[in-house]
Amino acid sequence: ETGVTQTPRHLVMGMTNKKSLKCEQHLGHNAMYWYKQSAKKPLELMFVYSLEERVENNSVPSRFSPECPNSSHLFLHLHTLQPEDSALYLCASSQDPRDTQYFGPGTRLTVL
Amino acid sequence: LAKTTQPISMDSYEGQEVNITCSHNNIATNDYITWYQQFPSQGPRFIIQGYKTKVTNEVASLFIPADRKSSTLSLPRVSLSDTAVYYCPRGPSGTYKYIFGTGTRLKVLA
Repeated sequence: ETGVTQTPRHLVMGMTNKKSLKCEQHLGHNAMYWYKQSAKKPLELMFVYSLEERVENNSVPSRFSPECPNSSHLFLHLHTLQPEDSALYLCASSQDPRDTQYFGPGTRLTVL
Repeated sequence: LAKTTQPISMDSYEGQEVNITCSHNNIATNDYITWYQQFPSQGPRFIIQGYKTKVTNEVASLFIPADRKSSTLSLPRVSLSDTAVYYCPRGPSGTYKYIFGTGTRLKVLA
């Protein structure tokens, strides 16, 4: 256990559905991240939050909408996704944005 | 930003020592060198981190030369459960970004 939890672990959704991924960190960190890992591709950084403020949006389509209500929780709201959005979505946290990142177990998303 | 460079794959046998080298040609002065391990369908797990010289913990050793342009992750006496992908991402520097490459796929054989 790394102190970062993600729910759900698996999610199957249609292209017209709306769903949300949840991440919670129990490490007292101030920065949280969303990454996407597609099959046989490197991890891609999507969003960075520091002290609940978004500090990085890595050219992610608007069908992905992050929310950070407090420093312990991070959400990724999904709507009208495409099949190519199927991937492992990983949450991470760190003490500050330049510090070592600790990852959650990921959510395996399948878009039909 | 250029990624780090590491071998795509390696095979080893149980009980052997495995050394995986990473090239950090463009490492920033402030960056530490960090290694992660990832099993299929799981998040990367932090293994070890260092700035220079040698660092050892209960899992691995990390060797960093004086110029810091490379690093070597050393796994002593590997077992089948060490089969995984190992990453040495670039960063985060001043950009909040870890830039992950494709990693080194280590396969430990019985």
